[in-house]
Parts: sequence; C-alpha cells; structure tokens
Amino acid sequence: DAGVIQSPRHEVTEMGQEVTLRCKPISGHDYLFWYRQTMMRGLELLIYFNNNVPIDDSGMPEDRFSAKMPNASFSTLKIQPSEPRDSAVYFCASSQRGRGYGYTFGSGTRLTVV
Amino acid sequence: DAKTTQPTSMDCAEGRAANLPCNHSTISGNEYVYWYRQIHSQGPQYIIHGLKNNETNEMASLIITEDRKSSTLILPHATLRDTAVYYCIVRVSAYGGSQGNLIFGKGTKLSVKP
Repeated sequence: DAGVIQSPRHEVTEMGQEVTLRCKPISGHDYLFWYRQTMMRGLELLIYFNNNVPIDDSGMPEDRFSAKMPNASFSTLKIQPSEPRDSAVYFCASSQRGRGYGYTFGSGTRLTVV
Repeated sequence: DAKTTQPTSMDCAEGRAANLPCNHSTISGNEYVYWYRQIHSQGPQYIIHGLKNNETNEMASLIITEDRKSSTLILPHATLRDTAVYYCIVRVSAYGGSQGNLIFGKGTKLSVKP
C-alpha cells in the first residue's frame, strides 16, 4: 500500500495564478479530507468527502477555494486566484468507516505564493 | 468535540520513557481519546486511541484515568526519531468517518535528547 499520495510536493506560484493540488487516497477508503497547516493557525480542516460527495466545506476559507472528487481514487483542491496568504502546507487524508484507526495522511504539498 | 489541554513542550532523554499528559475534563461518555504525532515536514501519523480501558500497541501505551478526564501517552523507550509534535484529540466516533472529525489543537512538542 503506497499510502495517500499527494502531488506536487512543492509548488511556487505567482499571486493571481491558479493552483491545483492533487490527492490519491488509499484504495478502499471512502472518506477523504483536505487540511491546511500554517504556523499561525495550525492544522485546519477545509473540506471532506464521503463516497466522492462533498459533505462539509465549512472550513473552506473563501470562494477562491474549490475541491472536487470525480472518482474514488482522485481529488483536487484548486485555488483561483491564489494570494500570498494562501501559502501553507496542504494535507490530504483518507479513512475507512468501520476501522478505528483514524485517518492516514499524505506527505503534504508545500505551497508558496509570491 | 471536547477541548484538550496539553503542555506546550517537553523534553525526554533518549532511551527513557516519555509520558505525555492530556487533560480533557469535559469529555463526553461517547467520545474517544486519540493520539497523533507529526514529525517535522511530514503529515500527522496515527498512534493510538481508546475509550475507557488502557490500550497498548507497538508504538505506545495509552493510560486513561477512571473518570476519563485525563490521559497519558507513554512512549516506553524514546528514540531521537520520536521527536515530534504530539496531538491529543477527543472525538465522538472511533470510526474513521465523519462522526467526529479530527480537530487538531496545538499539541505538545516533544524533544528527545541524546
């Protein structure tokens, strides 16, 4: 099992550009979560999906942020347009209902908006 | 979800037991105690969880007081690789689903020293 796979690992972009972060959850996991981590705010839950359907996006900071899960093996988090304050590490995690082991996190994408 | 209180930082000598405390005085009867850790530049990693009874796995032991208002994570023989931020989280469900999302606080920064 390769775990939760995120790409890219690092992204540097200019303010105003569109950024797309990608996540491949663990096969068989039916929940997918997007988190953001900054020094000031720590780890924040942005949105989560169950069986590819968005359940709660109340953590998404602004309309500039959007997330999709077109199938069970792929999700994207898009920021358009990006701003310097979006600079953070973005983590994707997946879990399987019925297993009491919580979430498995990916290695994260470090986004820098200049 | 109940709030938790953890010390900001702790030191431990390599090879000694690391005991990380967590207070959760407002925990409800159906809330579990979870522990995660985050090694620098990596995603959070599940360690252990419990409801009432003490739990042990290959990574650590979890001791929950009888009134469930506090718990202690024990790393029996700490190594340098255990240096990380340790998060204590209480949540409604033991299942890896939406019933009680993982909400991270600031955690305890554990430094294991040679």
